[in-house]
Amino acid sequence: DTGVSQDPRHKITKRGQNVTFRCDPISEHNRLYWYRQTLGQGPEFLTYFQNEAQLEKSRLLSDRFSAERPKGSFSTLEIQRTEQGDSAMYLCASSSGSREKLFFGSGTQLSVL
Amino acid sequence: AQKVTQAQTEISVVEKEDVTLDCVYETRDTTYYLFWYKQPPSGELVFLIRRNSFDEQNEISGRYSWNFQKSTSSFNFTITASQVVDSAVYFCALSEFQTGANNLFFGTGTRLTVIP
Repeated sequence: DTGVSQDPRHKITKRGQNVTFRCDPISEHNRLYWYRQTLGQGPEFLTYFQNEAQLEKSRLLSDRFSAERPKGSFSTLEIQRTEQGDSAMYLCASSSGSREKLFFGSGTQLSVL
Repeated sequence: AQKVTQAQTEISVVEKEDVTLDCVYETRDTTYYLFWYKQPPSGELVFLIRRNSFDEQNEISGRYSWNFQKSTSSFNFTITASQVVDSAVYFCALSEFQTGANNLFFGTGTRLTVIP
């Protein structure tokens, strides 16, 4: 069990640029989640995958955001035309079942200048 | 709609003191799950406990204990004999059975600082 890994740890970009983050879940976990956390707040749910199927999306996930999980393994989260309001920590988590405990990665800190 | 309130934004205690972190929740669902997570300075959220709405038994795990009271919609967390390593942000979270099968609704967290 190597844990959930996220790459990169930090990303600085200019407004209007596109960014992509990667998450590698725990290998035997079929469920993968993306959360966003801003300073002083708790994580907010963005989207959820079961295997390769994206089954749930939050209203927070605007059309500039897209997530994929090809082959049900790693996942990517892309933000197009970034805005300063997108600056946040993007957290990935995985689990082995519904309502089971989530294992979180260390997150990708995005700063949009 | 669900809501999780952690009224204590920051708490400081001296090492070896006991400390209780409060969590009050709101939900219309009769079946739900409550969680506590710890977020140390490294940023990685660590699971501490999960409790379903039908299980009001208090739980103790080493220096940690949890008090779940449905009558007051509270799920409080106590650390006994606090240590410097307990310094972190602690989040309470709620998962509703009907609407939140696969997502957690987190409170705003309580930052605990344990002073040596």
